[in-house]
Amino acid sequence: AQTVTQSQPEMSVQEAETVTLSCTYDTSENNYYLFWYKQPPSRQMILVIRQEAYKQQNATENRFSVNFQKAAKSFSLKISDSQLGDTAMYFCAFIRTQGGSEKLVFGKGTKLTVNP
Amino acid sequence: DVKVTQSSRYLVKRTGEKVFLECVQDMDHENMFWYRQDPGLGLRLIYFSYDVKMKEKGDIPEGYSVSREKKERFSLILESASTNQTSMYLCASSFSLGSASGNTIYFGEGSWLTVV
Repeated sequence: AQTVTQSQPEMSVQEAETVTLSCTYDTSENNYYLFWYKQPPSRQMILVIRQEAYKQQNATENRFSVNFQKAAKSFSLKISDSQLGDTAMYFCAFIRTQGGSEKLVFGKGTKLTVNP
Repeated sequence: DVKVTQSSRYLVKRTGEKVFLECVQDMDHENMFWYRQDPGLGLRLIYFSYDVKMKEKGDIPEGYSVSREKKERFSLILESASTNQTSMYLCASSFSLGSASGNTIYFGEGSWLTVV
């Protein structure tokens, strides 16, 4: 069953503007990790940002920041000052445990286009 | 730099053939994963492994098997390839979640498989 939901299949934004990509997830665990990955046309998966669930402070990496709402099980990605190079598929991902092992599960992705 | 290497970038196989996709990582990671990526479906987990000779089914294991005889190598096997297995296959690896570095996952560049 899908446990990571990205409700926006496609989004577009003008260069230099701000865009927010949404992600919700489902878990009964208290400690876990959340990630946003970027996949440009080259297909290589690039880590954008990660968040540990036990940390209340939202993670930030330069122009990328998250809004982590643990109670709501929400993990949105905000991209500020969008650049043409940000055009890519963005995947939200979540590590959960399964029988003592760790399973990395992805959402279906959001295709972001930054327009000049 | 951590490296996850998938031996074949592009393959074309015939229906019914046995197919091996190899993945090697050079960072002594415990966890290794195989995904397939299809348009509109995101990344779906086929199998994962948390140790040598250990394997766990992901969300879509049917038609696939895996082998992990050495820690650095995780092979995906299609016993009898079918056209619905035409896809891009991504390998990934990480340290275990409990380790200090366990929250970063590294991906290979992907293997494009076409079954005709």
